[in-house]
Amino acid sequence: EVQLVESGGGLVQPGGSLRLSCAASGFTFSSYSMNWVRQAPGKGLEWVSYISSSSSTIYYADSVKGRFTISRDNAKNSLYLQMNSLRAEDTAVYYCARDLQWLDYWGQGTLVTVSS
Amino acid sequence: AIQLTQSPSSLSASVGDRVTITCRASQGISSALAWYQQKPGKAPKLLIYDASSLESGVPSRFSGSGSGTDFTLTISSLQPEDFATYYCQQFNNYPRTFGQGTRLEIK
Repeated sequence: EVQLVESGGGLVQPGGSLRLSCAASGFTFSSYSMNWVRQAPGKGLEWVSYISSSSSTIYYADSVKGRFTISRDNAKNSLYLQMNSLRAEDTAVYYCARDLQWLDYWGQGTLVTVSS
Repeated sequence: AIQLTQSPSSLSASVGDRVTITCRASQGISSALAWYQQKPGKAPKLLIYDASSLESGVPSRFSGSGSGTDFTLTISSLQPEDFATYYCQQFNNYPRTFGQGTRLEIK
């Protein structure tokens, strides 16, 4: 069974940093591209970032470019999102999702709250 | 970035009704469109990919159609578990974008 489990969310002050993790199981993680998608409270879905299976191709949404860094460790079946210079508008539930171009499996999400 | 506009933004319907949700892209995206269902407090669930392909395990009352700029998601006979928010998403290019969502409520 495919499972994606996010962790690392929490309360952080504006300007602070946080690192999210996504632990994958039930499939050959190293064969799949992955994404981060977020959802602000009461709002719609916003794609954040993409990383290919070998980490050779990476994309970011303009809203996070230069502040967030996506990475992965295929040996640990893990996906990461390093978030720096956090802003109030980054407050959201962050989901990791497996990529087949469409997003076929999603984790349960981890909440990031940016507030003083 | 490609913009996706869903209509309506919200919809009230009854069990057994046939419902159609529309997603319009700001430029042509061939068939590179997916539909997701999201219930409160839960992660989105894939329903349709490649505009009209039904994801494994999804009931056949869900169907998708369209290509280019205009797409539809149809639920042929609403069931109680179908009341949720639905999103379209394009994967023609980056940045990936989602529609704003359509909230389907019980009448």
